[in-house]
Amino acid sequence: GENVEQHPSTLSVQEGDSAVIKCTYSDSASNYFPWYKQELGKRPQLIIDIRSNVGEKKDQRIAVTLNKTAKHFSLHITETQPEDSAVYFCAATPYSGGGADGLTFGKGTHLIIQP
Amino acid sequence: EAQVTQNPRYLITVTGKKLTVTCSQNMNHEYMSWYRQDPGLGLRQIYYSMNVEVTDKGDVPEGYKVSRKEKRNFPLILESPSPNQTSLYFCASSLLGGRGQETQYFGPGTRLLVL
Repeated sequence: GENVEQHPSTLSVQEGDSAVIKCTYSDSASNYFPWYKQELGKRPQLIIDIRSNVGEKKDQRIAVTLNKTAKHFSLHITETQPEDSAVYFCAATPYSGGGADGLTFGKGTHLIIQP
Repeated sequence: EAQVTQNPRYLITVTGKKLTVTCSQNMNHEYMSWYRQDPGLGLRQIYYSMNVEVTDKGDVPEGYKVSRKEKRNFPLILESPSPNQTSLYFCASSLLGGRGQETQYFGPGTRLLVL
């Protein structure tokens, strides 16, 4: 099955600086890569996703890049703000020609925004 | 309001006492899934369902059962809970059946302690 590695496990940045979280995946058939944000005590919520036919996607201060050759994808947050403090999860899912395949999540990155 | 609900939100039980965690969604979603979240391990899929009467194992199915008799409900059953099933459980749903490629909407979570 799919295996997703996520780094770093904890990331501390100054408010206003950029943050980058990286993930690698093992199954070359994976074609959908979402990112979820989980604030303390709350449920995970999708913040951005990318499909394998796209190399980059941006939504205001958040962007995701995908390198299919190297099998890695990254989340970039610019101009970080206190409300960006949370745990971020990357995920991947492979295409299996008709079967249902669930998301495989990375272990998460705890992003801390220092004032 | 479109939502995924779980009950109970908190549960303390003893080893071997059967329990059921309910999950319900009102968005007419085909795909539903159960995850457990443990510190340092991220979100791991237990079971998922593509549609009514169609269920399949995720990455950590041992000790759990599910059923999908109605589209809106996807209960998680622990026939004989053990302490290693102490965890935070999330139910999630998405619109399309199969592959989990669309946005997954998570329930609020159920925190389970097995003594």
